[in-house]
Amino acid sequence: NAGVTQTPKFQVLKTGQSMTLQCAQDMNHEYMSWYRQDPGMGLRLIHYSVGAGITDQGEVPNGYNVSRSTTEDFPLRLLSAAPSQTSVYFCAASPSATSYEQYFGPGTRLTVT
Amino acid sequence: AQSVAQPEDQVNVAEGNPLTVKCTYSVSGNPYLFWYVQYPNRGLQFLLKYITGDNLVKGSYGFEAEFNKSQTSFHLKKPSALVSDSALYFCAVRDYMDSNYQLIWGAGTKLIIKP
Repeated sequence: NAGVTQTPKFQVLKTGQSMTLQCAQDMNHEYMSWYRQDPGMGLRLIHYSVGAGITDQGEVPNGYNVSRSTTEDFPLRLLSAAPSQTSVYFCAASPSATSYEQYFGPGTRLTVT
Repeated sequence: AQSVAQPEDQVNVAEGNPLTVKCTYSVSGNPYLFWYVQYPNRGLQFLLKYITGDNLVKGSYGFEAEFNKSQTSFHLKKPSALVSDSALYFCAVRDYMDSNYQLIWGAGTKLIIKP
């Protein structure tokens, strides 16, 4: 059982480039979310989805887009990378928005130069 | 809005000694509180939760947490630390915002267990 998978594990971008961080889960969970983790700041919610076809903004959505065409996949797109987006990105899934436990992927470490 | 504070950036404990990682919260209403652990280069893993009932909650890997309503605290504890407990620990509280539940996270506490 793979759980939540994320690709790539590491990425270096130049300012202005775009890219997509992939997230997939095989648990048939309805709720998925993207966080960024920065030193001394804990996790901050970027976007989330309560089910296929439904997405919404979290605390720090600017510069990021998401889509949820299937239950399994929840990609995060950086439209025009900026150094401020240098961070570690985590995808998480849970059975529903009211579930108590979230299952996290291993993370993507992104550096924007 | 709810908030969570982890007042210590780092906690150092000798192996075999008891450990405590502190968390305080600010909520309106009854809090739903959580602890997660992050091992190096890994995603976060759920440790335990407090929803209601007994103030002492037991979780994975021998950890427990004590909910104290009067002190608005939810400290993580373990009677005897292991070197393998060294990791980053996050406290979180569930909030209801924009018609959905979301987790509000503390900044994290790095736990170092020395042999």
